[in-house]
Amino acid sequence: SQTIHQWPATLVQPVGSPLSLECTVEGTSNPNLYWYRQAAGRGLQLLFYSVGIGQISSEVPQNLSASRPQDRQFILSSKKLLLSDSGFYLCAWGQGLHSPLHFGNGTRLTVT
Amino acid sequence: DAKTTQPNSMESNEEEPVHLPCNHSTISGTDYIHWYRQLPSQGPEYVIHGLTSNVNNRMASLAIAEDRKSSTLILHRATLRDAAVYYCILINAGGTSYGKLTFGQGTILTVHP
Repeated sequence: SQTIHQWPATLVQPVGSPLSLECTVEGTSNPNLYWYRQAAGRGLQLLFYSVGIGQISSEVPQNLSASRPQDRQFILSSKKLLLSDSGFYLCAWGQGLHSPLHFGNGTRLTVT
Repeated sequence: DAKTTQPNSMESNEEEPVHLPCNHSTISGTDYIHWYRQLPSQGPEYVIHGLTSNVNNRMASLAIAEDRKSSTLILHRATLRDAAVYYCILINAGGTSYGKLTFGQGTILTVHP
């Protein structure tokens, strides 16, 4: 069966520090991969999606970036965190244009 | 993407059925109707999806209006674990949607014991 791993579960980082969140998927090949963010008390916002290795599409311009170095690995990064980067970051995978998405357990990031 | 409209909140009693409505009057012929739910401090969980016909699975049923301009998620017997935010989302099967989900505010379902 397919599983998605996301870590760390919680993270507290100072303003200006770098960020690296990792997501890996098992049990499937060539998945579509997604990074979403949810600010406190608000809905989910799509940040990046990828349909293949090295292919990244950005939905919202900001100081975050994403990379897909391997088929089932998706990384969210920042060189310098801002206070506004705090939130709940969720990785998800799907197969096909209208198939369900499967989400990880998320990383709760607090920038202080 | 076509927009969906859901009530902000609904309440139910445990063991009773729950009907969660969703309006999508601008739905296109290739839009699939997806439902997800999100429990506190967790990622969204897929519930069910459909295109034209009603759908049933172990979690819920999806009733789609004949003109497809609305749909209803049915939880047959609500439990306390069903308390969550429920999202109704349209996904276009063609174009460049790539399965991306656009989340609205959803419906907060409260289940009373």
